[in-house]
Amino acid sequence: SQQGEEDPQALSIQEGENATMNCSYKTSINNLQWYRQNSGRGLVHLILIRSNEREKHSGRLRVTLDTSKKSSSLLITASRAADTASYFCATGSGGSYIPTFGRGTSLIVHP
Amino acid sequence: GAGVSQSPRYKVAKRGQDVALRCDPISGHVSLFWYQQALGQGPEFLTYFQNEAQLDKSGLPSDRFFAERPEGSVSTLKIQRTQQEDSAVYLCASSIPSPDTQYFGPGTRLTVL
Repeated sequence: SQQGEEDPQALSIQEGENATMNCSYKTSINNLQWYRQNSGRGLVHLILIRSNEREKHSGRLRVTLDTSKKSSSLLITASRAADTASYFCATGSGGSYIPTFGRGTSLIVHP
Repeated sequence: GAGVSQSPRYKVAKRGQDVALRCDPISGHVSLFWYQQALGQGPEFLTYFQNEAQLDKSGLPSDRFFAERPEGSVSTLKIQRTQQEDSAVYLCASSIPSPDTQYFGPGTRLTVL
């Protein structure tokens, strides 16, 4: 079963545009993480936001968390062709060490 | 430094064959996770080790799946009598005792014919 659901499932934009992906989840969480997966590769950790945080930045990435709406967003500013990948949110709950992944958003950035 | 490595990268098996997938975690990482990722889906948890102890195997889909980490380092995921529905990418991840950030290997793509 998958806790997080990313939206949209697919996103196609031009280089230089911003890309926004959303993640909604069902139950209370301790933290939420975003990962990137390039085709045929493993996942790369991008950013973690804890339940008591509302916004975090890392380079061109901005993550927000709204626990009242049980949702998070990942914004990639000034996108590049190299940002083409699938992006997954993963939630951590209770005392579990095991993150629960969503189905991902497939992002294509056209040069 | 070296990341998580997995072997083989690709495996084709005939239905009914047994397969063994290997994961070499980052040196010193206590926690090790196995995931199954079907095409177009996110990773689904299979099992979790802390050192050599298998603390959670609730995600293993059947008793044909078995994982071990006998010396608390390298781990092997074994699938017996493979079925077509076992076709997927099997991902391994490791982390330090803090559970927050997992470092993933490139995965093994298993195709069962």
